[in-house]
Amino acid sequence: SQQGEEDPQALSIQEGENATMNCSYKTSINNLQWYRQNSGRGLVHLILIRSNEREKHSGRLRVTLDTSKKSSSLLITASRAADTASYFCATALGGGGADGLTFGKGTHLIIQP
Amino acid sequence: GAVVSQHPSWVICKSGTSVKIECRSLDFQATTMFWYRQFPKQSLMLMATSNEGSKATYEQGVEKDKFLINHASLTLSTLTVTSAHPEDSSFYICSALSGPQRGQYFGPGTRLTVT
Repeated sequence: SQQGEEDPQALSIQEGENATMNCSYKTSINNLQWYRQNSGRGLVHLILIRSNEREKHSGRLRVTLDTSKKSSSLLITASRAADTASYFCATALGGGGADGLTFGKGTHLIIQP
Repeated sequence: GAVVSQHPSWVICKSGTSVKIECRSLDFQATTMFWYRQFPKQSLMLMATSNEGSKATYEQGVEKDKFLINHASLTLSTLTVTSAHPEDSSFYICSALSGPQRGQYFGPGTRLTVT
């Protein structure tokens, strides 16, 4: 079953605006990861946040994690046309880090130039 | 950084034939690789976990006799779709684990079309 559920499913904004995507999950996790996928291509790992972390930054990306609400958000600031892609959250249940990932349904982000 | 390749990047085959997809870790050894499937406009679903030198572990609902996985070396895992049918048409993506707590590195995917 799907562990993560992203919302919105689709988001269209103007270049330069900030984009926020949310992800909810159902069971306890050790970490949560965000990936980007350009149309018809493989995944690019964006950021990993551990269960004992609340916020993490990487360039224009900011990820938050609220384990009490079982939710995470991905914020992309100052969006660019190249940010147009699908974004997925993913969780791994295992403590050793050697488990497959369960992906959310994804948010399709379109940045209008 | 860690690089994972897949071959072929796309393949078209006739119904009833078998197709082999390769997943290679190019600059690191991967004791564990994963195979995912992604249908159009959907998310990725884990199919199986492939461990070097042992049998693959399949997720519920994935037919092990249809999707044969071989992880013969620390840098290569193969997925063979046997007796392919049009409903097997999908985007197959592999990932390789570079080590515990180091995350998974994904291949570029293989698009399979069964006619």
